[in-house]
Amino acid sequence: DVVMTQTPLSLSVTPGQPASISCRSSQSLLHGDGWTYLYWYFQKPGQSPQLLIYQVSNRFSGVPDRFSGSGSGTNFTLKISRVEADDVGIYYCMQSLHLPVFGGGTKVEIK
Amino acid sequence: EVQLVESGGVVVRPGGSLRLSCAVSGFTFDDYAMHWIRQTPGKGLEWVSLINWDGGGTYYSDSVKGRFNISRDNSKNSLYLQMNSLRDEDTALYYCAKGRNRVSWSFDLWGQGTLVTVSS
Repeated sequence: DVVMTQTPLSLSVTPGQPASISCRSSQSLLHGDGWTYLYWYFQKPGQSPQLLIYQVSNRFSGVPDRFSGSGSGTNFTLKISRVEADDVGIYYCMQSLHLPVFGGGTKVEIK
Repeated sequence: EVQLVESGGVVVRPGGSLRLSCAVSGFTFDDYAMHWIRQTPGKGLEWVSLINWDGGGTYYSDSVKGRFNISRDNSKNSLYLQMNSLRDEDTALYYCAKGRNRVSWSFDLWGQGTLVTVSS
């Protein structure tokens, strides 16, 4: 089974400062079709998760351009260029090359 | 406006059965695969099951295979999860989620969830 490992577990960020979350998969997520099946989801407190980034680096509809995704193979990064109060919550990576598996989550708080 | 509304979550005894429903509106239901995903404080987010747009393909996590059955009624814009032989570890908040296309293994929009508690 694919294992998704996120670091750090938590992050405390000053508003306006950048933040970066890493996600590592135990197997390459590159499919033979050329796409890499890595996604980022965000869950605000008390709400259901929402899609931020699909296939490594594509922002979902309505997602601010402060959010960007990058990476390849087994190593991926979600970056927030300038953290805002509304970004508080838990961020999850997920792979869907195999049966979908989520990372353990990274909790982002505001300093 | 897209809406996915889950229902059916209750307290049930171990070994019991339960059927969850997800009523969908705001998009063409039979153009998309649908998923069930669950969340617990201890295990985080866990994908449970996928059904293709026409019900022709269904898939399950190893933890529920043989006990759960996913189905859909495209005429009613509804998704279902029949849960049998329930165990303590099935206790979770269950979300339905819209696939990104007809046979997608990923999902973009989620409901608010329905809570299933398995306890004696």
